[in-house]
Amino acid sequence: QVQLKESGPGLVQPSQTLSLTCTVSGFSLTSYSVHWVRQHSGKSLEWMGRMWSDGDTSYNSAFTSRLSISRDTSKSQVFLKMNSLQTEDTGTYYCARGKGWFAYWGQGTLVTVSS
Amino acid sequence: DIQMTQSPASLSASLGETVTIQCQASEDIYSGLAWYQQKPGKSPQLLIYGASSLQDGVPSRFSGSGSGTQYSLKISSMQTEDEGVYFCQQGLKYPFTFGSGTKLEIK
Repeated sequence: QVQLKESGPGLVQPSQTLSLTCTVSGFSLTSYSVHWVRQHSGKSLEWMGRMWSDGDTSYNSAFTSRLSISRDTSKSQVFLKMNSLQTEDTGTYYCARGKGWFAYWGQGTLVTVSS
Repeated sequence: DIQMTQSPASLSASLGETVTIQCQASEDIYSGLAWYQQKPGKSPQLLIYGASSLQDGVPSRFSGSGSGTQYSLKISSMQTEDEGVYFCQQGLKYPFTFGSGTKLEIK
């Protein structure tokens, strides 16, 4: 069955870089897109970017200058890297599969930005 | 960016009551709209896509409608398990954007 699972550090210091991994199973990254979405403590959701099945990427311009998404198809993993973290980047980060909407989501990983 | 305005922010409903949640887009999104339910500590669950298509496994008491800039989610007979936060999302243009959420509780 389709599964996605996020992993990464729970705590990041301000100004540092966040690195998250989304490990997928039940489908191939060369056939489906994977997105990153974040949520600030139960509030609304914010689309961050997308890894297309062909390896191309799309980003929310709100993050463009500091966000990078990449992948390793051999390991079925998609990576998120975001630099210059601030306290307002605290939240739950999800990876999700879909085109215009998301039928499959990971469990989410909570990231706290604090010194 | 397309702004998604969702209303109401919260509501409470009795068991068996019909519930309607509204979502307005800042421009025509040509039915490129999805609805999600989220329960505490859980990931969002897709309910409706393409404005009116029911996702597999979602109870038929959920339905979506609308066109252009105005969309709605209806729950035809409120059940206890329907408590949660509901979000709309436009999937037409990048960046994809979400509504601010509607918290639904049992009265």
